Amino acid sequence: DAGITQSPRHKVTETGTPVTLRCHQTENHRYMYWYRQDPGHGLRLIHYSYGVKDTDKGEVSDGYSVSRSKTEDFLLTLESATSSQTSVYFCAISPEGGPQHFGDGTRLSIL
Amino acid sequence: GNSVTQMEGPVTLSEEAFLTINCTYTATGYPSLFWYVQYPGEGLQLLLKATKADDKGSNKGFEATYRKETTSFHLEKGSVQVSDSAVYFCALKAARAAGNKLTFGGGTRVLVKP
Repeated sequence: DAGITQSPRHKVTETGTPVTLRCHQTENHRYMYWYRQDPGHGLRLIHYSYGVKDTDKGEVSDGYSVSRSKTEDFLLTLESATSSQTSVYFCAISPEGGPQHFGDGTRLSIL
Repeated sequence: GNSVTQMEGPVTLSEEAFLTINCTYTATGYPSLFWYVQYPGEGLQLLLKATKADDKGSNKGFEATYRKETTSFHLEKGSVQVSDSAVYFCALKAARAAGNKLTFGGGTRVLVKP
């Protein structure tokens, strides 16, 4: 929906390994976001981007980095995954002043 | 800071019952308000929105009215169906939100039984 593709949709990995999640949009929207969703915590913003190479931290950014080298792609990297980063990760996009639209999520399990 | 408070669920209803999910907010100025719905295994979908006081957002039989005087944006549906079973999130965007960021409530799970 809304021209957002997240990949992979599911991933299982081990503690200490690097992990990169990709968000790809076809809407040419300015803003892109990464959230994590955990039981009892709702949705929490990790990082967001307001343009190519322009990013900023959200409320739970520790242990995560992001990059946006093209308008359409926003990458989330866990440099050294920990079990506390097991979660469902959602990407969202929005135009200037418009509502956010969400991808279908990536379920990440870190063993 | 900004915050959104939703009633805790789960809310369990029978088909054709009336649904209300309460949402209140704290924000300076005049935020925009949103309801999102998340069906099992899916991402959030925008259900409706309101951008100024007394606006009514509506979609798929759901309605919510932006009440500035009570800082509320309660979601209602007159006759629910089993297919309305989902988690519902209330959210706000502050008037000059950096990065167009949203503040979400904790979500309310709704289960509609046949």
